[in-house]
Amino acid sequence: LAKTTQPISMDSYEGQEVNITCSHNNIATNDYITWYQQFPSQGPRFIIQGYKTKVTNEVASLFIPADRKSSTLSLPRVSLSDTAVYYCLVGSTGTASKLTFGTGTRLQVTL
Amino acid sequence: KAGVTQTPRYLIKTRGQQVTLSCSPISGHRSVSWYQQTPGQGLQFLFEYFSETQRNKGNFPGRFSGRQFSNSRSEMNVSTLELGDSALYLCASSSQGPWNTEAFFGQGTRLTVV
Repeated sequence: LAKTTQPISMDSYEGQEVNITCSHNNIATNDYITWYQQFPSQGPRFIIQGYKTKVTNEVASLFIPADRKSSTLSLPRVSLSDTAVYYCLVGSTGTASKLTFGTGTRLQVTL
Repeated sequence: KAGVTQTPRYLIKTRGQQVTLSCSPISGHRSVSWYQQTPGQGLQFLFEYFSETQRNKGNFPGRFSGRQFSNSRSEMNVSTLELGDSALYLCASSSQGPWNTEAFFGQGTRLTVV
């Protein structure tokens, strides 16, 4: 069962790049890594997902080193609307597998 | 397309009672997963159903149960409610499962046990 650890909070100015790292030391071979964004009173919203190396979409990049024991979500040029809690999620299907959420990182973006 | 719908949005129950929460997934999605979110424990995985079968289960007591119908709609039941069951209960739907495909979350049901 992967245990995930994230920084509790981060602060950034608008326009900067933000990198949030998630540690998952005992990630299993079949586990995927997914990042979600959550605003108050809403359900989490999918940002990006990957298995290894680097994944990029229109809103973020996900960097996964070769040992897969950590992952970094990169948000380019954040805006005030990116103020939210970000969760990493590690897991895979199977009878012995579980989904493990990180503790969440509260990102505060200011002018 | 319509998103994930959870009903009711808010619920107040008394200790010892039972409660049933409902989740309607996105059309075509066969996987529905349930989560509990509390300030103290964060987001925790309850269970996942795929094509009417429970495929994965988290570390919650047997008081927490669920089912999925042939139209993929899912219900979650909590029996003998305890104060500690007060939480936001979220469901998510996905085509294959929340670990390797994008999962879409509902807005949740806020359960308060008094």
